Amino acid sequence: DTAVSQTPKYLVTQMGNDKSIKCEQNLGHDTMYWYKQDSKKFLKIMFSYNNKELIINETVPNRFSPKSPDKAHLNLHINSLELGDSAVYFCASSQEVGTSFLLYEQYFGPGTRLTVT
Amino acid sequence: AQRVTQPEKLLSVFKGAPVELKCNYSYSGSPELFWYVQYSRQRLQLLLRHISRESIKGFTADLNKGETSFHLKKPFAQEEDSAMYYCALPHTNTGGFKTIFGAGTRLFVKA
Repeated sequence: DTAVSQTPKYLVTQMGNDKSIKCEQNLGHDTMYWYKQDSKKFLKIMFSYNNKELIINETVPNRFSPKSPDKAHLNLHINSLELGDSAVYFCASSQEVGTSFLLYEQYFGPGTRLTVT
Repeated sequence: AQRVTQPEKLLSVFKGAPVELKCNYSYSGSPELFWYVQYSRQRLQLLLRHISRESIKGFTADLNKGETSFHLKKPFAQEEDSAMYYCALPHTNTGGFKTIFGAGTRLFVKA
């Protein structure tokens, strides 16, 4: 019973195309995230949503637009794909409880490997 | 500014040898630090957290505030420990809660 799932697992597309990656969590968590892992395995947060509301938006090109239809889903839409967008994108979720959030781990999805040619 | 530094990109040890993966942080408050692990073809998962004072799969990590470090240690490395390890610092700012990850260290345990 998968906790955090992402689709698709692999995505190969050409420059200039628009694509979406979907994420769903069945843990009942309030907060969801998108991370980008580059070819050097560096992991960087892109967005964070809490109860469908955008909380964190790092310095990400506005070609990237997250959408959260409900607190169990956080999708990532990318317009006008560029070669530099090639990476593994991870979705994650966590539960924030008052000021105790620091105790709560993040649960990661399996990742979506995006290759832009 | 908050920062997590893992100085080693790759660490290679022999099976049975002690291993230490280094992590240094920069944080203005009292930090809570985590170690995450990513085994080959698996998702990133929590290994251990400072606040729990736990030992998981033989790994321990001690927070040293004087040296601003949270090194991950295991006395006898096993081949199945080969993985990518990330030190992580959760914190809040005006933008909300987020976790800063170090650049990661790939541990390779040789037979």
